[in-house]
Amino acid sequence: DAGVIQSPRHEVTEMGQEVTLRCKPISGHDYLFWYRQTMMRGLELLIYFNNNVPIDDSGMPEDRFSAKMPNASFSTLKIQPSEPRDSAVYFCASSPLGTRDEQYFGPGTRLTVT
Amino acid sequence: GEDVEQSLFLSVREGDSSVINCTYTDSSSTYLYWYKQEPGAGLQLLTYIFSNMDMKQDQRLTVLLNKKDKHLSLRIADTQTGDSAIYFCAESRGSQGNLIFGKGTKLSVKP
Repeated sequence: DAGVIQSPRHEVTEMGQEVTLRCKPISGHDYLFWYRQTMMRGLELLIYFNNNVPIDDSGMPEDRFSAKMPNASFSTLKIQPSEPRDSAVYFCASSPLGTRDEQYFGPGTRLTVT
Repeated sequence: GEDVEQSLFLSVREGDSSVINCTYTDSSSTYLYWYKQEPGAGLQLLTYIFSNMDMKQDQRLTVLLNKKDKHLSLRIADTQTGDSAIYFCAESRGSQGNLIFGKGTKLSVKP
């Protein structure tokens, strides 16, 4: 299995631009998670899905952030408009039914907003 | 407090044992986890312990759990340079709760 796939691996954009991060979970996994990692705040859960349905989005910082999961093999995290404080590494993770906390992480997308 | 606490840095010599400590907050947490993050990579599940256990051993890894003090530790025997990474403690809060991660302990292994 290829593991969780994220794209792009690096993104540099200017403040105000729209940013879309992509994730392909491991086939057969029922849960998908989006995290943000910064030095100051550590690893924060933004949102997670179960069977493509958003379950908890309480970690989404504000309305500029949105996430979708149109099918079991694809999810996006969008930031519009982006701000410098959004600079971070964004991780996608997935886990199978029955072992929600045994999460498999992707390699992350390093986002820099200038 | 509500945070999972870990010390930020640990430095050991190759061949020594490493002990990474963590305090968590929710006494009802069912499972406690250790994840490892190598440079430029995502987190990787190392091991976990069920809350009714005191100890779990898996090859070079030993997890100790003190529920009374809400203290979790990860011992790595015969630490190798390849063990250099950031180690995250995480607790699962309740059956529908989310994983709450500590800020991670950066382990440096010197030859």
